[in-house]
Amino acid sequence: AQKITQTQPGMFVQEKEAVTLDCTYDTSDPSYGLFWYKQPSSGEMIFLIYQGSYDQQNATEGRYSLNFQKARKSANLVISASQLGDSAMYFCAMREGGGNTPLVFGKGTRLSVIA
Amino acid sequence: DAGVTQSPTHLIKTRGQQVTLRCSPISGHKSVSWYQQVLGQGPQFIFQYYEKEERGRGNFPDRFSARQFPNYSSELNVNALLLGDSALYLCASSFSGSAYEQYFGPGTRLTVT
Repeated sequence: AQKITQTQPGMFVQEKEAVTLDCTYDTSDPSYGLFWYKQPSSGEMIFLIYQGSYDQQNATEGRYSLNFQKARKSANLVISASQLGDSAMYFCAMREGGGNTPLVFGKGTRLSVIA
Repeated sequence: DAGVTQSPTHLIKTRGQQVTLRCSPISGHKSVSWYQQVLGQGPQFIFQYYEKEERGRGNFPDRFSARQFPNYSSELNVNALLLGDSALYLCASSFSGSAYEQYFGPGTRLTVT
């Protein structure tokens, strides 16, 4: 079964506008972590933001925030004030359990920021 | 400080050949993980090594193997290459193996013809 689902293959956003990238997940483990990574055309995966399953507040990192809705099993990434440099692939990922378990990634969303 | 480095950057091989990919973690990091990213997909976990021991293995055939050296660098070997092995191979390092602090390298793009 797909553990991470990203239903938007591609998204367009106007520069300076906000955009939400969707991510739903599936796990029966009460302890898990959710991650968002940015992958520019160069290929390197850049860590953006992390949300733990027990965290009470939604994570924020600068222009990035994670809209965590535990009951709905969703972890959407919100990018505020989009910039041209935000154009890239964005991946949602999950790690189950508290140990050294591997990251499981979704298929990604390609974001294009338009001037 | 230098980030995670991988070599080579690009590689073209023929079906049936063998390939070795290399990864140097961030200084002080003791864990290395390998991921395969096929075009249009998210990365898939292949191996994790911590303190030179294999700590995890993904759903990949035995043609894939890896090792970690005393300086914590790592090699990923793939034997009997298939066209389907064409992908971006990503290496990630972390101090303790905790995924929260994983830092990825730029990847090696392997093309099998």
